[in-house]
Amino acid sequence: SQTIHQWPATLVQPVGSPLSLECTVEGTSNPNLYWYRQAAGRGLQLLFYSVGIGQISSEVPQNLSASRPQDRQFILSSKKLLLSDSGFYLCAWSLWAGGPYEQYFGPGTRLTVT
Amino acid sequence: AQSVAQPEDQVNVAEGNPLTVKCTYSVSGNPYLFWYVQYPNRGLQFLLKYITGDNLVKGSYGFEAEFNKSQTSFHLKKPSALVSDSALYFCASSNDYKLSFGAGTTVTVRA
Repeated sequence: SQTIHQWPATLVQPVGSPLSLECTVEGTSNPNLYWYRQAAGRGLQLLFYSVGIGQISSEVPQNLSASRPQDRQFILSSKKLLLSDSGFYLCAWSLWAGGPYEQYFGPGTRLTVT
Repeated sequence: AQSVAQPEDQVNVAEGNPLTVKCTYSVSGNPYLFWYVQYPNRGLQFLLKYITGDNLVKGSYGFEAEFNKSQTSFHLKKPSALVSDSALYFCASSNDYKLSFGAGTTVTVRA
């Protein structure tokens, strides 16, 4: 069966500090990978998605970037955090061909920028 | 373009009563629709999806959803709600590789 991991679970960072959130998927190959941000426990905003190693699509121009160095690894980064980067960050994966497929979500990272 | 709308921010029901969470869609072409549930400080959990076929889709935890093309709706239902069903529910539609989510409906089931 497939499993998706995210870490850390919670993070408190000062404004201006760097960020690195990691997501890994087990039990599947060549998944589509996604990063979302959820503010105030409500709507989901798609930040990035990737259909393959090194292939990143950005949905919203902002202070964040994403990378996919390995098939089942997806990293969300920032060089300098802003207060507005606070939120609940969710990684998700889906099968890659013949869709449409549902996405499966990780447990999330709660980021607080102080 | 594909989008969904959840007209109710909050739904309150008594335990044992039927639960309905509403979703309407606006899509070009065939609609591909999904329901997810989110418990506090957790990731979203997939409940069910409609791709094609039967208009009544059965999913996890006793939930089902009815696809209605004439009303462009995909309402989530459960015949008898439990207190443990209290959570945030999202409807979503598929657009290529991506999902477009509704704003979410908070369900509170009182004992």
